Amino acid sequence: KQEVTQIPAALSVPEGENLVLNCSFTDSAIYNLQWFRQDPGKGLTSLLLIQSSQREQTSGRLNASLDKSSGRSTLYIAASQPGDSATYLCAVVGTASGYALNFGKGTSLLVTP
Amino acid sequence: EAQVTQNPRYLITVTGKKLTVTCSQNMNHEYMSWYRQDPGLGLRQIYYSMNVEVTDKGDVPEGYKVSRKEKRNFPLILESPSPNQTSLYFCASSPASVNGYTFGSGTRLTVV
Repeated sequence: KQEVTQIPAALSVPEGENLVLNCSFTDSAIYNLQWFRQDPGKGLTSLLLIQSSQREQTSGRLNASLDKSSGRSTLYIAASQPGDSATYLCAVVGTASGYALNFGKGTSLLVTP
Repeated sequence: EAQVTQNPRYLITVTGKKLTVTCSQNMNHEYMSWYRQDPGLGLRQIYYSMNVEVTDKGDVPEGYKVSRKEKRNFPLILESPSPNQTSLYFCASSPASVNGYTFGSGTRLTVV
C-alpha cells in the first residue's frame, strides 16, 4: 500500500525566508502528485499538480518538483509571508489505487511577522 | 463557477439517527470520492465512484453507504451513526484522466 510521508511535521520561519517542504512516497507507480493547502478547519485548496512525466510545476512563489524514481517531491515557497501560514498536504494517485488520493499527514507552517 | 458543493457544512446528530451528506459537482467529472479527516490520522478515503452506478470501497468504508445515480451527485449515507464517525468529511471530484482533484469545503459532523 502506498505510504506518503511529509517532513517536517511542523515548521516555523520568519517572514521573508525561502523554505522547502518535503514529501516522500513508497510506490513510484503514480499518475500524479498534488500539493494542497488547508487553513484550520477549512477545505483543501489545490496548489500544484505534477504529472508523473513532469519534473516540476510553478505557480507564483511556489515551485514543486517531482523525482518519481526516488519517490520524492518538494514544495519550495519563496519569500514567505504570514498569509502562507497553513497546513500543506501532499497527495499521490497511484496506478493501482483506483485513482484514490493517498495523503501525507501534512506540514503545519507558521510564518511569523 | 466550477466547484464541488457539500451540504450541510456543520451537523450535530445523535447516535443511530440516519443522515445523508450531499455532494454535487458541476464539472462533469467522472471520478468522485469521499474522505474523512481525523487528527493524527490524516485524510482517509471512505468510498469512491468511477462513474454512474460504479462505486467501490476505500480504506475506511465501515458504517457508510454511497450511491451514484447521476454523474453530478455522490451522497454519503450514515444509516446508524456512531460517535466514532465524528469527523471532518470531504467530497472530491476529478476528470477521468490524470488531472487533479477538486475538493468541497467540508462537512463537520458530530455524533453524540
